[in-house]
This record gives sequence, structure tokens and C-alpha cells, in this order.
Amino acid sequence: GQSLEQPSEVTAVEGAIVQINCTYQTSGFYGLSWYQQHDGGAPTFLSYNALDGLEETGRFSSFLSRSDSYGYLLLQELQMKDSASYFCAVKPSGGYNKLIFGAGTRLAVHP
Amino acid sequence: DAGITQSPRHKVTETGTPVTLRCHQTENHRYMYWYRQDPGHGLRLIHYSYGVKDTDKGEVSDGYSVSRSKTEDFLLTLESATSSQTSVYFCAISESSGSRNEQFFGPGTRLTVL
Repeated sequence: GQSLEQPSEVTAVEGAIVQINCTYQTSGFYGLSWYQQHDGGAPTFLSYNALDGLEETGRFSSFLSRSDSYGYLLLQELQMKDSASYFCAVKPSGGYNKLIFGAGTRLAVHP
Repeated sequence: DAGITQSPRHKVTETGTPVTLRCHQTENHRYMYWYRQDPGHGLRLIHYSYGVKDTDKGEVSDGYSVSRSKTEDFLLTLESATSSQTSVYFCAISESSGSRNEQFFGPGTRLTVL
């Protein structure tokens, strides 16, 4: 089976950098994704790591280490609008494009 | 934004009644999914479809059934709703050859079972 662990809450101040970790247990998967969800909204795709290493998209970066069963999302130059829940997800091998999501990390950005 | 709509957006029903939620897409994507979202559990997959009339169970399929008679519509049915099925339900779609694990989500349906 698959399971993903994330911290339930993270707090940071505007302009800071925050890292949201995701550790996983899975028998095999294609890659690690991150999704953002604002209160009352739908999840939206942020990033995807198929290979080990760092992927950068503007202020957001995502990292994957398969040997450590670990990944993280790095948010830089935090803005108030970054206050949201962030979910990591894996696509299991042979899974018809299915995703297994972590329980999510609620990020609160304060002035 | 991907063209995904869900109906109804809100529903209140009573225990024991049947409920059907509809997901409609205009993107012609092959894969469609139903998730439920509850506090502390993130998004949990209920059922998914990999083509017309092709469906399979997800993590939390008990008490739910689905149907997909055409590419654009994916229906989720609660045959006899229970209070434990009170949740927010999201539909999602993805392309057949997507390599980014990218799924596009509908706006959600908030279901309350009294």
C-alpha cells in the first residue's frame, strides 16, 4: 500500500521561506506531485518531480529523494495569498493515473 | 481553466435516501475521478474511470457506485446515504498521456446527510 505523511500545520511570516515536508511509503510510484488548495476552493496543481532533485517554478520549488522516500515543497518570498493547504501526492505504479494524497499541510502566512 | 462542472454544488439530504452527484467535463479527457475530502484525511479516492463504461474502485468505495456512459459525464451514486458520507466531494480529470500527475479538479459538492 501507499501512505504519505505531512505536518498538519505550518506558520510563517510574509517574505520568509517555508519548507513543507512529505515522507512516503509506497511499493512503487512514478513521481511526487504537490497541489495547493485555498479555503473553499478546489485543489490546483503546483509541481511534479519524476526524478530525484529540485524542480523550480517561480517562487515555488519541489524536491524529491527516492532513496530517502522524502520530498518537500519550498515556498520563497511568502505572500499572504500563499495561505492555503498543500498536499503531496504520488502516482502509484500501474495505477491508471490515480493519485494517492497526503492529509495536507495548512500554511498560515502572517504579516 | 479546465472545463469541469459539478452538480449540485450543495445538497442536504436525509439518511437512507439515494443521492446522485454529477461531474461534467468539456476537455475530452480519458480519466475521471471522484474524491471525498474530510478534515484530517485530505483527498481520498472513491472511484475512478479510465474510459467509457470502464471504472474501478478507489480507497473508500464502500457505499458508493459510479457510472460513465459517455466521455463527458461521470456520476457518483450513494444508494442509501448515511451520516458518515457527509463530506465535500470533488471530481477530477486527467489526460491519458499526462506525465506530470496533473489532475484538474471541479469546484466540489458539499453534501450533508442528516
